[in-house]
Amino acid sequence: KAGVTQTPRYLIKTRGQQVTLSCSPISGHRSVSWYQQTPGQGLQFLFEYFSETQRNKGNFPGRFSGRQFSNSRSEMNVSTLELGDSALYLCASTLTGAENTQYFGPGTRLTVL
Amino acid sequence: SQQGEEDPQALSIQEGENATMNCSYKTSINNLQWYRQNSGRGLVHLILIRSNEREKHSGRLRVTLDTSKKSSSLLITASRAADTASYFCATDRSWIQGAQKLVFGQGTRLTINP
Repeated sequence: KAGVTQTPRYLIKTRGQQVTLSCSPISGHRSVSWYQQTPGQGLQFLFEYFSETQRNKGNFPGRFSGRQFSNSRSEMNVSTLELGDSALYLCASTLTGAENTQYFGPGTRLTVL
Repeated sequence: SQQGEEDPQALSIQEGENATMNCSYKTSINNLQWYRQNSGRGLVHLILIRSNEREKHSGRLRVTLDTSKKSSSLLITASRAADTASYFCATDRSWIQGAQKLVFGQGTRLTINP
C-alpha cells in the first residue's frame, strides 16, 4: 500500500496570508490527525478527523482549521499567518481499531516570512 | 502541556554500544508507543506496549513499561549509524474521550558515532 502523502512538501508564505495543506491517508484508514512540530514546542496535536467529522482538537487558535472528505483525504487551513506558524506540519493516519498506531506522512515544511 | 518527558534530551554513543532512552508521563494511559524521526521527516512507528504489559521486544529494540512509576524505557542494542535519529515516546489516552489522540514527548536526539 502507498504510504501517507502530503502536499506540498515545502511552502513559503508571508504574514497575513493563508495556506492550505493536503494529506492523503493510507488506503482504508479513516482517521487522520494533524500535528505541528517546532523546535521550541515539539510535536503538538492540532486535530483529528474521522468519517468527515472532527473528533478531537488540540489547543490551537481558531485560525487553524481542517476538514476531511468522503474519501478520507484531509486538508488543514491556516488563516492570517503569523511568523510563529513556521513549522513542520505532519499528518498521520490510523486504521480504526489498531490501537491508535499512527502512520505519518513526510510533512509539509511551512516558512512564514 | 506534554504528557511524556524523555530523558536524556540528547545522547551520543559509539557504534556497537547500547542506547537507552527513558520516558516519564503523568496520567493513566491505554498504551505507550515509541517513534523514530530522521531529520526533518515524518515519524516512523517502532513499537507499542500496552498498559498491562511490562516488556516487549522487536529486533534490536526492547521496551519496558512501569505503570506504577509512570515510566518507560527504550533500549537499542548494538547501535548502528543508521539509528541516528530523534526518538519520541507517545502516550495514548484515547479511552478518555473516545477519540484517538497521541501525546508526544519532546524527544531524545540520538547520535551514533562511527
